Amino acid sequence: AQSVTQLDSQVPVFEEAPVELRCNYSSSVSVYLFWYVQYPNQGLQLLLKYLSGSTLVKGINGFEAEFNKSQTSFHLRKPSVHISDTAEYFCAVSEEYGNKLVFGAGTILRVKS
Amino acid sequence: EPEVTQTPSHQVTQMGQEVILRCVPISNHLYFYWYRQILGQKVEFLVSFYNNEISEKSEIFDDQFSVERPDGSNFTLKIRSTKLEDSAMYFCARGKSYNSPLHFGNGTRLTVT
Repeated sequence: AQSVTQLDSQVPVFEEAPVELRCNYSSSVSVYLFWYVQYPNQGLQLLLKYLSGSTLVKGINGFEAEFNKSQTSFHLRKPSVHISDTAEYFCAVSEEYGNKLVFGAGTILRVKS
Repeated sequence: EPEVTQTPSHQVTQMGQEVILRCVPISNHLYFYWYRQILGQKVEFLVSFYNNEISEKSEIFDDQFSVERPDGSNFTLKIRSTKLEDSAMYFCARGKSYNSPLHFGNGTRLTVT
């Protein structure tokens, strides 16, 4: 079974500052990794995914994440955030040959002006 | 514009009543899922559905729950006799193949009183 830990429940940051949202996972098998974003009163939108290949993956809205197998991490980063990035971000994992997503508890990113 | 349309956006029902949540995937994908998010908690997997059959279900998905795709288009989640603890946001998701990234709808907020 897999599990996902998002170490920060809330991250406040000023506009145009860099941000990192942390995600660690545990699994006994190879996994796929995802970040989803949920804006207020909306559904879950896929931000980026790691399936294989380069460990640095780029997603929408200027976000990127790096898969670190030895540290079992998949931290999300953005070099300069905007007010519009205020949302809740979910890290998720699935088995490489499975179709069930296991989500972390989410991190609320609050961007202040 | 979501790739999955869910109706209704909000449903209020009394304890013990049956509810049907609907999902209309816009494209012709074969893999469908229901997830739920109780307020303040993680997004949890409920069930996956492929080729008109349940392919996997969680412990949450007990006999009170059922899914079907009656007309080859709408994908429904039925809760036979709702309980207070069924109050949650229910998300439908679709996938192109077995372990492709999932695309979620905007969710149905179910409130059981």
